[in-house]
Amino acid sequence: DAGITQSPRHKVTETGTPVTLRCHQTENHRYMYWYRQDPGHGLRLIHYSYGVKDTDKGEVSDGYSVSRSKTEDFLLTLESATSSQTSVYFCATRGPGELFFGEGSRLTVL
Amino acid sequence: QQPVQSPQAVILREGEDAVINCSSSKALYSVHWYRQKHGEAPVFLMILLKGGEQKGHEKISASFNEKKQQSSLYLTASQLSYSGTYFCGTEIGGGNDMRFGAGTRLTVKP
Repeated sequence: DAGITQSPRHKVTETGTPVTLRCHQTENHRYMYWYRQDPGHGLRLIHYSYGVKDTDKGEVSDGYSVSRSKTEDFLLTLESATSSQTSVYFCATRGPGELFFGEGSRLTVL
Repeated sequence: QQPVQSPQAVILREGEDAVINCSSSKALYSVHWYRQKHGEAPVFLMILLKGGEQKGHEKISASFNEKKQQSSLYLTASQLSYSGTYFCGTEIGGGNDMRFGAGTRLTVKP
């Protein structure tokens, strides 16, 4: 298994507060992804990165920003959390072919 | 640009077969298939590249019709362990932004 660690694994926060989720990998994979998973919608791409400081938007990027200052870390930030951002967030890295997923971070915005 | 999966859900008895379909409105570079157990991260099953190459994984196989931008996942002689949600992921033009369908929930009963 690819060494992918997400933190925090669970978080409850209030509307309007900033939140940062961290994804850490030990495989030196170039590509990293953030997805959100909601019932009925499957996995939707938020942002992805193709190298240090190289990122691009996915299909549901509004309200989210990302940063990648090191190969191993990919951060997802909600500048001002809203209830619609309550979800399970998965980080993934791209190996030679397939994606490897982290265990997920469950975020609840009250 | 999310691919469309069908059916949304299927219930089988052990030993029965199932087919899950995935289609896209865009020309596809590759199709991935993943399975997710409840409360866990998605796990890679197989990847199919342009050229209609069919790849197998035990009793699970898949096909890719690049002309129709469609892929199908075939589960034969299903086992209880096959239960879970299946996702297809698609890449357009080798861009590495992997988009997933909404998923197909498969339940295998004794």
